[in-house]
Amino acid sequence: KAGVTQTPRYLIKTRGQQVTLSCSPISGHRSVSWYQQTPGQGLQFLFEYFSETQRNKGNFPGRFSGRQFSNSRSEMNVSTLELGDSALYLCASSRLPGPMNTEAFFGQGTRLTVV
Amino acid sequence: DAKTTQPNSMESNEEEPVHLPCNHSTISGTDYIHWYRQLPSQGPEYVIHGLTSNVNNRMASLAIAEDRKSSTLILHRATLRDAAVYYCILRDNFGNEKLTFGTGTRLTIIP
Repeated sequence: KAGVTQTPRYLIKTRGQQVTLSCSPISGHRSVSWYQQTPGQGLQFLFEYFSETQRNKGNFPGRFSGRQFSNSRSEMNVSTLELGDSALYLCASSRLPGPMNTEAFFGQGTRLTVV
Repeated sequence: DAKTTQPNSMESNEEEPVHLPCNHSTISGTDYIHWYRQLPSQGPEYVIHGLTSNVNNRMASLAIAEDRKSSTLILHRATLRDAAVYYCILRDNFGNEKLTFGTGTRLTIIP
């Protein structure tokens, strides 16, 4: 069974540009969450999607957005990039949200560097 | 979100048991205790979770205090591959997919 796939693995962008990151969840998983990891702030929750709907959102500015497609694949977009957006962006998939859900499976992440 | 407190770092000798503590004094009755770990250059990986009773799986054991205000992740026989940052996370039972990570414990295994 293939794991969570994130593309690209590495990305270098210039300040002011925008970027789109992609996440393919494990087959059969319908919930996708995104996290940002930086040395200073650690792992922080960005947002979560289920059935193409955003169910939960972290405390990030509106420059950060995402969406989920009917096949459960998800993308996140960051517009008007700032140097502080340099981070490892992680995607996690879960089978279903709900009280019986247990574990999230993480991808290896996309390392974004803003110069 | 209820918070957890963990030591910043711990060391252990290879092939010895490791006990990783976590305090969660503001835990609510519906919060599950989850543990994840992050190996170098990897995304976090699920380890174990529990509610009230102690739990065992192939990776580790989870011992939960009777008042649920603290828990301990036990690696029975540490190997070099267990060197990672271990996160203790509280997760509610209402379908909230959000994981609130603390700073975690960086575990170093000494050969």
